[in-house]
Amino acid sequence: DAGVIQSPRHEVTEMGQEVTLRCKPISGHDYLFWYRQTMMRGLELLIYFNNNVPIDDSGMPEDRFSAKMPNASFSTLKIQPSEPRDSAVYFCASSPGVGLVAFFGQGTRLTVV
Amino acid sequence: SQQGEEDPQALSIQEGENATMNCSYKTSINNLQWYRQNSGRGLVHLILIRSNEREKHSGRLRVTLDTSKKSSSLLITASRAADTASYFCAIPNNDMRFGAGTRLTVKP
Repeated sequence: DAGVIQSPRHEVTEMGQEVTLRCKPISGHDYLFWYRQTMMRGLELLIYFNNNVPIDDSGMPEDRFSAKMPNASFSTLKIQPSEPRDSAVYFCASSPGVGLVAFFGQGTRLTVV
Repeated sequence: SQQGEEDPQALSIQEGENATMNCSYKTSINNLQWYRQNSGRGLVHLILIRSNEREKHSGRLRVTLDTSKKSSSLLITASRAADTASYFCAIPNNDMRFGAGTRLTVKP
C-alpha cells in the first residue's frame, strides 16, 4: 500500500475562494482523521470518521469548514470561503481500529492570500 | 478523549548524547504511543506501549510507562543529527489527539 495520500501537496489561493483538500486512506482502515497544524495552535484534531461516518466534528473551527467521506477510500475537507487565518498544514491520517497506530499523509500546505 | 502533555517543550543536545522527553496524562489508558515529526512532514509512529507494560525497546529508543504516575518517557540513546525532529505522545481512545510536542535538536 502506498500509505495515506493527500492532494494537493501545496495550495495557494485567494481569500474568499473555495478550497478542497483530498485524502485517500490506507485500504482497510476504519478510522480517518483530519488535522490542522500551525505554530500558534499546534496539531489540532478537526474531525474524525469511523466507517465513513463522521463521529466528532467538534474541532471544526467554523461553519466555513466541512468534511465528507463518501466512501471508504476517499475523504475531502472543504473551506468555503477561505480566509488568511486558514493558512496551515492540513494532515489526514488513518487507523485500522480503535486505539491502534495512526498513519499520516504528507500533508497539504495551504496558503490563503 | 484526552491528549498527553510533553515535556520539555524544547531540548538541544550534542550528537552522541542521550535525549529524554516525558509525557503526562490525566486518565486511565489502554496504550500510549510515541510519534516523530520531521519538519513539515507527517507524523511517523515510533512505538506503542500497552498499559500492562512498563518498558519497551526499539533500536535506540526506550519507552517507559508508569501508570501510577500517569507518565511515560521516551529515551533516545546515542543521538544523531538525523534525530532532530518534534516528538509527540498520543493516548488513543476513539480519537487521536496530540499535545504540543518536544522539539529536539541534535547538534553535530
